[in-house]
Amino acid sequence: QSVLTQPPSVSGAPGQRVTIFCTGSSSNIGAGYDVHWYQQLPGTAPKPLIYGNNNRPSGVPDRFSGSKSGTSASLAITGLQAEDEADYYCQSYDTSLSDVVFGGGTKLTVL
Amino acid sequence: QVQLQESGPGLVKPSETLSLTCTVSGYSISNNFYWGWVRQPPGEGLEWVGSISHSGSTYYKSSLKNRVTISRDTSKNQFSLKLSSVTATDTAVYYCLRGTMTTNPSSFDYWGQGTLVAVSS
Repeated sequence: QSVLTQPPSVSGAPGQRVTIFCTGSSSNIGAGYDVHWYQQLPGTAPKPLIYGNNNRPSGVPDRFSGSKSGTSASLAITGLQAEDEADYYCQSYDTSLSDVVFGGGTKLTVL
Repeated sequence: QVQLQESGPGLVKPSETLSLTCTVSGYSISNNFYWGWVRQPPGEGLEWVGSISHSGSTYYKSSLKNRVTISRDTSKNQFSLKLSSVTATDTAVYYCLRGTMTTNPSSFDYWGQGTLVAVSS
């Protein structure tokens, strides 16, 4: 069980907006540590999507955005496309564990 | 273009030591950044294993600290993972990756394609 909680699944129709939340605590996100997001397409390595809470690496469409507030972070995807169907993971650091931690992952289904 | 490639046995016997090497091209592992490993058991999520800095400092997942060693060979631009006393729960796809130094914690901006290591007799 990860200290960063994500919903196991979310879904949306093409063109819609979905938001994936990553809920932590005062020992990780709430302690001020950065949150990063990764997209993992089936059978491939994770790809960086958002770094430092709200920054997009070069080449990531601006349909993807990140934010952080208090003990939680979120990843928003607008204008859903079929190619967005993937698993999404948040990542941060936990001072109680002294570990880099990942959320459990969220499977996005495009209806 | 930075590229990482994992190599090593795909099958390890229980109680033995898992050994993987990551060969980096397009960037010197001695020049900044962290270099590390993340694993993913079949059908499960991602788990950080550990990292080594450009200066050679190491950081390990707490629950694996007694079994894991990450080292580097700068002359070959490679870094390695050794995990001792493996059990079936260590079966996973192991990814090597590069960690940035501009955020806290590092974000992982380059990943290898991953290699499946099964622990079985």
